[in-house]
Amino acid sequence: DIQMTQSPSSLSASVGDRVTITCLASQSIISYLNWYQQKPGRAPKVLIYFASRLQSGVPSRFSGSGSGTDFTLTISSLHPDDFATYYCQQSYSTPPTFGQGTKVEI
Amino acid sequence: QVQLVQSGSELKKPGASVKVSCKASGYTFTDYAVNWVRQAPGQGLEWVGWINTNTGKPTYAQDFTGRLVFSLDTSVSTAYLQISSLKAEDTAVYYCARVTDRYGDPFDYWGQGTLVTVSS
Repeated sequence: DIQMTQSPSSLSASVGDRVTITCLASQSIISYLNWYQQKPGRAPKVLIYFASRLQSGVPSRFSGSGSGTDFTLTISSLHPDDFATYYCQQSYSTPPTFGQGTKVEI
Repeated sequence: QVQLVQSGSELKKPGASVKVSCKASGYTFTDYAVNWVRQAPGQGLEWVGWINTNTGKPTYAQDFTGRLVFSLDTSVSTAYLQISSLKAEDTAVYYCARVTDRYGDPFDYWGQGTLVTVSS
């Protein structure tokens, strides 16, 4: 199975900050990397797919980059609604695997 | 609009079985596979398996082989997850999520989750 490692596990930030979360795959997954946002008590919601493509309806302050094994999710200017946990997930091979999550706190 | 609506919370004793449903609406059910993902309390996301809604063929994650059954009732656009021989470690929120048949696509819509609690 492909292991996905996110860093940091948590971070504290303020409204307006630029936030970057990284995800490292244990082997090349080309660009088959997705990012999800999850709020407490809610299901995950896809933000970015294929490493850098913005899901319909997702604000443009979210962006993704990377290929191979190293990927990044960036929030250009943190909004109050963005405080949540973020997960990366590889869709390159079965089983699909998730990172352990990054909690973005105030 | 696309919706996946799951059945309500369950409390089961160790060794019992549970069946969770996931009813789809707002799209053609057989155009998308249904995946199951679980999340133990305070933990991350773990893929449980998926079912091809055209053929009914299930694929189970290795850790669960033998205790899981995925099934469908396409007449009511509903997928089911049944877990037998429940253990305390199966306590989690179970989500269904749809995905296209295109290689590499993400889980684009999710159910609201079903909490399964296993406790004596």
